[in-house]
Amino acid sequence: GQNIDQPTEMTATEGAIVQINCTYQTSGFNGLFWYQQHAGEAPTFLSYNVLDGLEEKGRFSSFLSRSKGYSYLLLKELQMKDSASYLCAVRDSNYQLIWGAGTKLIIKP
Amino acid sequence: TAGITQAPTSQILAAGRSMTLRCTQDMRHNAMYWYRQDLGLGLRLIHYSNTAGTTGKGEVPDGYSVSRANTDDFPLTLASAVPSQTSVYFCASSLLAGGTDTQYFGPGTRLTVL
Repeated sequence: GQNIDQPTEMTATEGAIVQINCTYQTSGFNGLFWYQQHAGEAPTFLSYNVLDGLEEKGRFSSFLSRSKGYSYLLLKELQMKDSASYLCAVRDSNYQLIWGAGTKLIIKP
Repeated sequence: TAGITQAPTSQILAAGRSMTLRCTQDMRHNAMYWYRQDLGLGLRLIHYSNTAGTTGKGEVPDGYSVSRANTDDFPLTLASAVPSQTSVYFCASSLLAGGTDTQYFGPGTRLTVL
């Protein structure tokens, strides 16, 4: 079966750095997405990786290793507004997104 | 730009009743999707449509039907609601032109079936 694994919850301190990991086993691979979802709101797109390596976008970076079935989202200079759930999703061979359950990130002052 | 709108925002429905969740996008996206989101689970695809006039089944299609009469609208119908259909429903759309093909989400409909 297809599976996306992420930690359920993480806690970090304002101003610090946090890394959210995602491992996947899917039938085929056509890219990996990270979305941010604040409580009670819709998911919003953060990043996309299809080739191995690091993609940097401001305070957020996303890394992909296809051979290891592994990605991480790195958030730097954490702000209180970064408190949200972070969703990892893989586009499979049918071009459909398979979603992880999300990682709830709690930022403490 | 409105993007994607969904209606209603929330609804309480008696079991056995039917209901249609509405979704409209103004981005001229080719593909549209319906997901449900339940606590502790990832988003699960119910139905999708790659272009007007075509639809397909996702991971959890039972008890739901969709239609895609035009590019903008993609309603989701529950013919006879059951309590297990209590969930938050998200509509999404994407251009489906290859590459990143990012999905953009509507604000969601919170449905409670009693």
